[in-house]
Amino acid sequence: GQQVMQIPQYQHVQEGEDFTTYCNSSTTLSNIQWYKQRPGGHPVFLIQLVKSGEVKKQKRLTFQFGEAKKNSSLHITATQTTDVGTYFCAGGSSNDYKLSFGAGTTVTVRA
Amino acid sequence: EPEVTQTPSHQVTQMGQEVILRCVPISNHLYFYWYRQILGQKVEFLVSFYNNEISEKSEIFDDQFSVERPDGSNFTLKIRSTKLEDSAMYFCASDSSGSFNEQFFGPGTRLTVL
Repeated sequence: GQQVMQIPQYQHVQEGEDFTTYCNSSTTLSNIQWYKQRPGGHPVFLIQLVKSGEVKKQKRLTFQFGEAKKNSSLHITATQTTDVGTYFCAGGSSNDYKLSFGAGTTVTVRA
Repeated sequence: EPEVTQTPSHQVTQMGQEVILRCVPISNHLYFYWYRQILGQKVEFLVSFYNNEISEKSEIFDDQFSVERPDGSNFTLKIRSTKLEDSAMYFCASDSSGSFNEQFFGPGTRLTVL
């Protein structure tokens, strides 16, 4: 079955620094979604990427979908304390009605 | 803004007991999901539901699990005979058109099996 792997598992960042989390799928995806989960909270949708090579930006967040539609990345610039949480990628397949979540990258920020 | 609601927020039960977790998806959504998240781990897909039947289920969703949409608003997950390893946060989610769209997650029900 489809597996989605995500690295790193933990990211400790100095406030103001940039970081990137990476997501890889064992199979070609129809789309990839990114969610953020604050400590004690539930996953909240950030964005969806559908097209090969697509790049989308949300303020300090840049999302990319690979040309082969098997990998994706989330890059955050100038990290702030509000960025604390776990970022999950979730891959969708055209064959079924489910999302396969990566293990998540848990981000902590040093002020 | 419409949101997915779940009750109860926390359920404590004895091993072997049946539990029913309840969800009210967003009213105009058509696709419904249950996910499980064991503490500190990733979100795991359990089941998707569309047009009053299961569309997809994972290996986790074995015979002890069942889902139902008993009326036009509720979506329930039943665990027939709970095991210690069923302790987790259970999230309900819904979306308007399948896995190509944003899924809206509820706040979750924390299930503790003693």
